[in-house]
Amino acid sequence: GDSVTQMEGPVTLSEEAFLTINCTYTATGYPSLFWYVQYPGEGLQLLLKATKADDKGSNKGFEATYRKETTSFHLEKGSVQVSDSAVYFCALSEGHSGGYQKVTFGIGTKLQVIP
Amino acid sequence: NAGVTQTPKFRVLKTGQSMTLLCAQDMNHEYMYWYRQDPGMGLRLIHYSVGEGTTAKGEVPDGYNVSRLKKQNFLLGLESAAPSQTSVYFCASSSQGTVPHEQYFGPGTRLTVT
Repeated sequence: GDSVTQMEGPVTLSEEAFLTINCTYTATGYPSLFWYVQYPGEGLQLLLKATKADDKGSNKGFEATYRKETTSFHLEKGSVQVSDSAVYFCALSEGHSGGYQKVTFGIGTKLQVIP
Repeated sequence: NAGVTQTPKFRVLKTGQSMTLLCAQDMNHEYMYWYRQDPGMGLRLIHYSVGEGTTAKGEVPDGYNVSRLKKQNFLLGLESAAPSQTSVYFCASSSQGTVPHEQYFGPGTRLTVT
């Protein structure tokens, strides 16, 4: 079945440092890929997405490129802020026989940014 | 728009008690989902619904029941709570009309079973 692999963390960075959170996936077809972010005490919200190979998703200074050859979708940001402290989930979705797109989530990576 | 709302936000149950978690969405979404979030395990799908009056089992359905009598509401029931059901529960919804389906999440319900 489908799976998503990411490190749990926590990842601790100083403000303005470069961020990379690795995500690799296994899927039977051609999935769409997502990064969701969960701020403390809140639900998940979509950060960015990519629907086909070589697509780059971007939002709020974060970027991730859909790499089919390495089955990866690594999240990057050039300069993190304290406000970026959150849990980041990599996810993929594929069509499902139940008539919806099944989403498979990674375990989430906790990011702590210190001033 | 309120988006996806969940009630209650927190609840403590004793083993064997029952409760219902309510999820409501005002985006006219066809699909709704219940997940549980546990440390080191990410989000796991409990049950889902592709439309009013229909429900289906997800990855971890045992011990839970659901109902979707109205399109905007999706209820999750625990008939006899167990400590293993201590978790944070998230409801989500998505639209049939957008591909890929972006899921919109509620703020979560933190449930403790003692």
